[in-house]
Amino acid sequence: DTAVSQTPKYLVTQMGNDKSIKCEQNLGHDTMYWYKQDSKKFLKIMFSYNNKELIINETVPNRFSPKSPDKAHLNLHINSLELGDSAVYFCASSQASGGRETQYFGPGTRLLVL
Amino acid sequence: GENVEQHPSTLSVQEGDSAVIKCTYSDSASNYFPWYKQELGKRPQLIIDIRSNVGEKKDQRIAVTLNKTAKHFSLHITETQPEDSAVYFCAASGSYQLTFGKGTKLSVIP
Repeated sequence: DTAVSQTPKYLVTQMGNDKSIKCEQNLGHDTMYWYKQDSKKFLKIMFSYNNKELIINETVPNRFSPKSPDKAHLNLHINSLELGDSAVYFCASSQASGGRETQYFGPGTRLLVL
Repeated sequence: GENVEQHPSTLSVQEGDSAVIKCTYSDSASNYFPWYKQELGKRPQLIIDIRSNVGEKKDQRIAVTLNKTAKHFSLHITETQPEDSAVYFCAASGSYQLTFGKGTKLSVIP
């Protein structure tokens, strides 16, 4: 019974392409997140949604566009991929927003841009 | 916003020894401090957390201490085992989001 799932697990693509990553949680949580983990392992928050509404939008290029069709799903679309976008992208969820609830992470999507 | 500093960045210990990882935070409003363990190629997973109304919390070989006055908190792992080898992240709640430290790579040498 997977709590937070992401697809695909691996994504290899060419520069300039557009790609999407999907995330689903079955924990009944209200808040979902996207994090980027670079080669140095630093975990940086990108976006957060609470009940389908965007509540955190860190300094991320506007080539990245999150979309939450319902509170169990948060997708990430990336336009015009660049070499520097290569990283592991983690989706996470928590019961509520505000940073004071345990966050549960998905398995990650390893993106490699060639 | 919140700023979390984590030290050391790498730590090697002999199996059976203790390991200590320290973090400091800047936002005095932070009141939730989780620790995550990330094994190679895996997701970060919560191993222990502490809230600001508590000074110490233990779970078997793992303990976390919090000093709100000094704004620092630490993870203590006793009787380390090879399976404790991983990257450990501290985090602090801040005003509206969780801010992570840069991680500590712990290696337990058999």
